Amino acid sequence: EIVLTQSPATLSLSPGGRATLSCRASRDINKYLGWYQQKPGQAPRLLIYNASNRATGIPARFSGSGSGTDFTLTISSLEPEDFAVYYCHHQAFGQGTRLEI
Amino acid sequence: EVQLVESGGGLVQPGGSLRLSCAASGFTLSPYWMSWVRQAPGKGPEWVANINPDGSWTSSVDSVKGRFTISRDNAKNSLYLQMNSLRAEDTGVYYCGREYWSQLDCWGQGTLVTVSS
Repeated sequence: EIVLTQSPATLSLSPGGRATLSCRASRDINKYLGWYQQKPGQAPRLLIYNASNRATGIPARFSGSGSGTDFTLTISSLEPEDFAVYYCHHQAFGQGTRLEI
Repeated sequence: EVQLVESGGGLVQPGGSLRLSCAASGFTLSPYWMSWVRQAPGKGPEWVANINPDGSWTSSVDSVKGRFTISRDNAKNSLYLQMNSLRAEDTGVYYCGREYWSQLDCWGQGTLVTVSS
């Protein structure tokens, strides 16, 4: 069973700032990792698949990188609507990173 | 518009059963793997089960094995989750999702299942 560990649990930044979120897998998962954004009362939204591919309609400020066991989601210049909870996923979901103002 | 709409949630007593449905519109279900994901109140998402395009292969998380059954009817463009022997820890919002490269690129709005006496 794969365990995904996300860090940090909470990230406090300001609009315009740069966010770097990490996800570590308990074993090698190649490139097969996704990232999701979830806002209160909404379903998660797919941002990134296969570690670095943006899903349809996702702005270019969102980027993903990594392979094997270590992965990163970067949001280059935070917009007010980006403050949400972010999850990584490979079979199971990570515990999430809350991005707050 | 590509859309998934879940239904069938509600309040049920421990040990009871529910059948969730997920209706797809704006696309044809048949080529896609499909999943159910749940989210307990205040917690992160948890993958529950998935099914291959023709329904011949399914997989589920250990905690629901033997109790939940995922199925599909491609002719009706619909996905289902039969949930038996429900427990309090099964409480949460249940989402259906369309798989794309093993991720979920389309989600429904969710249906709330509450298991309580």
